[in-house]
Amino acid sequence: GEDVEQSLFLSVREGDSSVINCTYTDSSSTYLYWYKQEPGAGLQLLTYIFSNMDMKQDQRLTVLLNKKDKHLSLRIADTQTGDSAIYFCAESPGNFNKFYFGSGTKLNVKP
Amino acid sequence: EPEVTQTPSHQVTQMGQEVILRCVPISNHLYFYWYRQILGQKVEFLVSFYNNEISEKSEIFDDQFSVERPDGSNFTLKIRSTKLEDSAMYFCASSVSMNTEAFFGQGTRLTVV
Repeated sequence: GEDVEQSLFLSVREGDSSVINCTYTDSSSTYLYWYKQEPGAGLQLLTYIFSNMDMKQDQRLTVLLNKKDKHLSLRIADTQTGDSAIYFCAESPGNFNKFYFGSGTKLNVKP
Repeated sequence: EPEVTQTPSHQVTQMGQEVILRCVPISNHLYFYWYRQILGQKVEFLVSFYNNEISEKSEIFDDQFSVERPDGSNFTLKIRSTKLEDSAMYFCASSVSMNTEAFFGQGTRLTVV
């Protein structure tokens, strides 16, 4: 079955780049997503990438997809304390918004 | 900005009791979903709902679970006889169509004692 794995914690200093990694098993995934969850809030879609793309950039966010290795990463440039949150990787075959989520990576940004 | 709202934020219930978790999706959305996250585990898909019927459900969504849209605005998840292992954060989500962005609520933490 589908499996999405992430490391649980990442700690960086303010101003540094953060790289959050994710691996997945389902080769039929059509879409891959990054969601952000701040304390007491819901899951907020940050960005997504189609499986036929290698890279997507959106302001401070860069998503890299290595389809051969089934590896997805999210790079946050110039990380700010406001970026402290849990980041979830998710994949979907593209139907009915049925996502398979990772466990989430808790990003701690130290001033 | 429109948002999905869930009530209550925290619900404590005794084992064996029925519980209803409520969600108000974004008003022009047509697809609705429930996910759950047991503490320390992954967010898991439970069910999707469209046109007043279940579109897809996971193995977790057994006969103890049901969903409905009773009044055209609320979207509810009912657990008939709660078990300790139903303790989790339950997230509701909605989307305009099946492959456009799903917006998630802030979650309801269900604690079964």
